[in-house]
Amino acid sequence: DAGVTQSPTHLIKTRGQQVTLRCSPKSGHDTVSWYQQALGQGPQFIFQYYEEEERQRGNFPDRFSGHQFPNYSSELNVNALLLGDSALYLCASSLMRGGRQPQHFGDGTRLSIL
Amino acid sequence: ILNVEQSPQSLHVQEGDSTNFTCSFPSSNFYALHWYRWETAKSPEALFVMTLNGDEKKKGRISATLNTKEGYSYLYIKGSQPEDSATYLCAPYYGGSQGNLIFGKGTKLSVKP
Repeated sequence: DAGVTQSPTHLIKTRGQQVTLRCSPKSGHDTVSWYQQALGQGPQFIFQYYEEEERQRGNFPDRFSGHQFPNYSSELNVNALLLGDSALYLCASSLMRGGRQPQHFGDGTRLSIL
Repeated sequence: ILNVEQSPQSLHVQEGDSTNFTCSFPSSNFYALHWYRWETAKSPEALFVMTLNGDEKKKGRISATLNTKEGYSYLYIKGSQPEDSATYLCAPYYGGSQGNLIFGKGTKLSVKP
């Protein structure tokens, strides 16, 4: 039973570029959430997708966008990259929305902006 | 902006010691409290999800309690082992427009053999 998988594991970009991160949820899960973890901080919620729609969004600018596909996999897109976007990006999946189910995390994508 | 506080930030103990951490969070509109363990070079792993005031959960040598009225949770580790070394994150979940899990910065535990 595959867990949450994220790709790529590492990525280096320059300021102003665009990036796409990918996530496949744990088998049987239908909800995907994305988090950004900056150095020394806890993961910060970006947004959540359920039934191919963005259902909740954290305090992130419109440069951050996403998508969920019919197979429940998801993408996170970041446009016009800034140095401050350098972080670990975590994807988490769960069964159903709401807070009563534990989230299952991937290993993350380490994004470095030069 | 909701603020979740975890203390201490880091903890160094000897193998066999028992330890505990604190998670403080705003109690208004609280829905559930999650605890995760995050070992270096791995992904965060769910330990507990608690919802009711007075809830107590246990998993092996690790247990947690929840006070929703005053907004805090304790995580206890009995007889710490080197494999318990990790960062322990708490994350309350609030309903409505507050979004998803709100994570604290975590408590980093190091257990020396």
